[in-house]
Amino acid sequence: TQLLEQSPQFLSIQEGENLTVYCNSSSVFSSLQWYRQEPGEGPVLLVTVVTGGEVKKLKRLTFQFGDARKDSSLHITAAQPGDTGLYLCAGGSNYKLTFGKGTLLTVNP
Amino acid sequence: GAGVSQSPSNKVTEKGKDVELRCDPISGHTALYWYRQSLGQGLEFLIYFQGNSAPDKSGLPSDRFSAERTGGSVSTLTIQRTQQEDSAVYLCASSVGTINEQFFGPGTRLTVL
Repeated sequence: TQLLEQSPQFLSIQEGENLTVYCNSSSVFSSLQWYRQEPGEGPVLLVTVVTGGEVKKLKRLTFQFGDARKDSSLHITAAQPGDTGLYLCAGGSNYKLTFGKGTLLTVNP
Repeated sequence: GAGVSQSPSNKVTEKGKDVELRCDPISGHTALYWYRQSLGQGLEFLIYFQGNSAPDKSGLPSDRFSAERTGGSVSTLTIQRTQQEDSAVYLCASSVGTINEQFFGPGTRLTVL
């Protein structure tokens, strides 16, 4: 059984601070996806990384896939209240995605 | 619309009743997934469709749960004789291609009284 562990589970910070969320597994994945979910809505895909060591940037968000394709991190620079939400990582293997339990981020004004 | 849609958005039912949840995937997406999300839990995989076939039903919690997909498009998740532990948000996602980027609907919040 493939498992993805996310940390921290909860994070509450002030606007303007930086933060990093981690996603770790003992399994190798062919891809790693990050989603953001807001209350009452479905998860929205932010990024997909497929190559070990790959780094992708999306405005203030930086995503990295570990060299061994077992882990990933999401770094947010100068967080804003609009970044508040549940961040989910998901490891891809064939047709299936294995989801972590998520990091609930609150950015206070 | 261009996205995945689900109906109803909310469903309140009494214990023992049957419910049907509907998913309309993005047009042209051959793969369709159902997940369950409970408070404090991650997304629990239920079933995967490729076209109208379901090669992986391993996540269905019991034989009270079933799903079908017709015309390679709309899917229905049926829960018979609902129990209180079935209360959760049921999410549908669709995808196409080899990387399996999934696009989610808004979910159906099911409450069993």
